[in-house]
Formats: sequence, C-alpha cells, structure tokens
Amino acid sequence: GIQVEQSPPDLILQEGANSTLRCNFSDSVNNLQWFHQNPWGQLINLFYIPSGTKQNGRLSATTVATERYSLLYISSSQTTDSGVYFCAVVPAVTDSWGKFQFGAGTQVVVTP
Amino acid sequence: KAGVTQTPRYLIKTRGQQVTLSCSPISGHRSVSWYQQTPGQGLQFLFEYFSETQRNKGNFPGRFSGRQFSNSRSEMNVSTLELGDSALYLCASSPDPDGYNEQFFGPGTRLTVL
Repeated sequence: GIQVEQSPPDLILQEGANSTLRCNFSDSVNNLQWFHQNPWGQLINLFYIPSGTKQNGRLSATTVATERYSLLYISSSQTTDSGVYFCAVVPAVTDSWGKFQFGAGTQVVVTP
Repeated sequence: KAGVTQTPRYLIKTRGQQVTLSCSPISGHRSVSWYQQTPGQGLQFLFEYFSETQRNKGNFPGRFSGRQFSNSRSEMNVSTLELGDSALYLCASSPDPDGYNEQFFGPGTRLTVL
C-alpha cells in the first residue's frame, strides 16, 4: 500500500519562529489533507490540498503531486500551534473510498 | 452546520465485554469512515460506509464490525474486548463517496479496556 512519511518527527520552536513540515507519499493520491490534533484528540482540518498552494492566516501549504510531497508552513509560531500535525492521503486506486493513510505525525512544541 | 458528533466521548469496559460507538455525520454527508488511534500503531483505518454499505475495510479482526443507517448515522461494535483495543476511535464524514472530497473528523471516543 501507499507509504506516507512525515518529517521531522519532532520540532521545538520558540514563539515567533517559522517552520516547515514535510509529507512524502509513495504513489498518486486523490486527496491529501493536513490536520492538527488538539490536546483532546480531535483532528482539526487545516488544508484540503491534493495539489497546488493554499494559505490560511499564518499557515500555508503546498502540494507538488508530480513529485509526491506536500509542505506545511507555519509562520510566526504561537504557543497555541503546539500539538501533533498529521498528513493524510487517499490513494488514487479504485477501492480507496474514504481510506485515509496517515503519516506518523510531527510533534510540534512552541515555547514562550 | 453542526459538525461530526460521536457518542459516548469516554468509555471504560473490562476484557471480554462488547462496546458500541456511535457517529453522526455532518448533515448531507453520506460517507462515514472509522479510525483507531493508539500510541504504538498511530492512526489506522477500520472501515468506510456509504449508503448503508461497507465499501472498504482495514486490516482488523472480525471482532470489529460496523453498520450505517438510512440517515447516514453509523455505529461500530467491538466484541470480546481485549486490552489492546484501548484507543481513541475517530469517525470522519465526507459528502461524496469517491475519496476526492474533504473529510471532517469528530471529537472521538476514548475507550479504555481494563
């Protein structure tokens, strides 16, 4: 099946710093999403981005589908950005309905 | 529009018991998927339902089952609980069945098996 690798596994930032999280995937995808998992476990949608570039406030994301990677940028980080960030993909195969393959996540800690 | 809801939010069971978890998708969404999250295995796909039919299943034993009702609400059942079933169970809903559309997750049910 499709492999999803996220890097780095852990990231410690000072408030105000910028960072880049990376997601590599091994095959073509129909869907790619970035999530932030809050301390209570809920996955919060950040971006639905199977290709192209999107921005939402201090966050932006780029997916280069032909090269099978996606990047999540966090600018001017705040302590509320702490948590685990997941990349998830739905492979471009006929029986993949709703079947997200998740990366292992990047644990982000933003210190004051 | 209300988000995905899951009940109960927390559950404690003992080994050998069975449990039923419920998920109500966003209004108008017809696809519901279930995931298990554990510290050791991460987030793993359990199954997906659309129009009351299971169309996709992950690599879990037959003790894990589910169903979907005509109003798109879904339940999953775990029989003969084992300690290793302790996990956060998440469901997601999507408006269309083809995997192209954005999926939205509920808050999860945290199951502890003693």
